[in-house]
Amino acid sequence: QQPVQSPQAVILREGEDAVINCSSSKALYSVHWYRQKHGEAPIFLMILLKGGEQKGHDKISASFNEKKQQSSLYLTASQLSYSGTYFCGTDSGGSNYKLTFGKGTLLTVNP
Amino acid sequence: KAGVTQTPRYLIKTRGQQVTLSCSPISGHRSVSWYQQTPGQGLQFLFEYFSETQRNKGNFPGRFSGRQFSNSRSEMNVSTLELGDSALYLCASSWDGGTGELFFGEGSRLTVL
Repeated sequence: QQPVQSPQAVILREGEDAVINCSSSKALYSVHWYRQKHGEAPIFLMILLKGGEQKGHDKISASFNEKKQQSSLYLTASQLSYSGTYFCGTDSGGSNYKLTFGKGTLLTVNP
Repeated sequence: KAGVTQTPRYLIKTRGQQVTLSCSPISGHRSVSWYQQTPGQGLQFLFEYFSETQRNKGNFPGRFSGRQFSNSRSEMNVSTLELGDSALYLCASSWDGGTGELFFGEGSRLTVL
């Protein structure tokens, strides 16, 4: 089952904050976040494991609510370089060896 | 350290033809996953290989197949191409295909006419 991401698109001005949500109908072992710029390969941002802590990277952080099977990605004081499509990938564990990605959230940061 | 390399980067085929795409993972990575990316659908999982064994397969018809060689390089094949197969096909490698970071290639963009 593909996780649901919201919003589908968001437009920000440089310096503003944004939250991207990822929700699954299945129990999750981990949530992965990737960013893809137009014409480029997706790049890894972070992994949140079941029972793990909230993670952060520079001004991008994420949380994982295991009970609600939800994860949120927080972008603080956005920069132009944050523009791109953000994908969450979910893993249900059990030697599944696959990530199921959401449809993505297009983030545009304007000057 | 070289990244994931996919060839060809672009190709155009006609309906009914078949296509083979190649992926060379990062040196030392033994897991290779394939994803289909189309506008509005995100990344759809095709299959994952580890040490020449397919460990998981997505919900795609049997026209989509793949394999992995002893050097971890992987190929995927699509037979009897349909217009709907037009997409960006992404390959990703990782150490073990578990919950680790995936390293994606830039993809092979297939257009079916």
